[in-house]
Amino acid sequence: DIQMTQSPSSVSASVGDRVTITCRASQGISSWLAWYQQKPGKAPKLLIYAASTLQTGVPSRFSGSGSGTDFTLTISSLQPEDFVTYYCQQLNSFPLTFGGGTKVEIK
Amino acid sequence: EVYLLESGGGFVEPGGSLRLSCAASGFTFSNYPMNWVRQAPGKGLEWVSTIDTSDTYTFYADSMKGRFTISRDNSKNTLYLQMSSLRADDTAIYYCAKSGEYVTVAGTSKSPGLDSWGQGTLVSVSS
Repeated sequence: DIQMTQSPSSVSASVGDRVTITCRASQGISSWLAWYQQKPGKAPKLLIYAASTLQTGVPSRFSGSGSGTDFTLTISSLQPEDFVTYYCQQLNSFPLTFGGGTKVEIK
Repeated sequence: EVYLLESGGGFVEPGGSLRLSCAASGFTFSNYPMNWVRQAPGKGLEWVSTIDTSDTYTFYADSMKGRFTISRDNSKNTLYLQMSSLRADDTAIYYCAKSGEYVTVAGTSKSPGLDSWGQGTLVSVSS
């Protein structure tokens, strides 16, 4: 099974800051990596798929990069609604697996 | 607009069974693989199962193999998850999610993400 290691597990930042979250796969997954955002009490929302493609309707301050085993999600300028939890997921092979999540908190 | 509505959650004793349903609308249900994902209270996301468009191929997380069965009825636009031999650690919100359109990367076509999710249904396993 492919393990997804997400870091950090939490990060403190201020509105306007640039934040980067990383996700590492235990083996190569090409570009089969998705990023999700989850607000408290809500279902996850797809932000980025195929490592770097922005889902329709997602603000351009979100971006993704990487391939193989190392991936990043960058929020270029944090907005108040961005202080929530983010997950990566590999879709290269079954069983599909999620990273442990990163909570972005207000400093 | 895609709409997914889960139902069937509730309280069940350890060893019991439960059947979840997910009613889909707003898209051609039979054209997309479907998924179940769960989230234990205060924990992260855990993929549970995926089914292909025609109920031919199914995939499960290791801890659910032999206990959970995913199925679909394309005539009713409905996804199911039959859960048996339930344990306390199966307590979670269960989400159904639609697979996104297939894309091709380096010559391989797959669904690149789960692009629509229901609001979830809570399953509580306790004596």
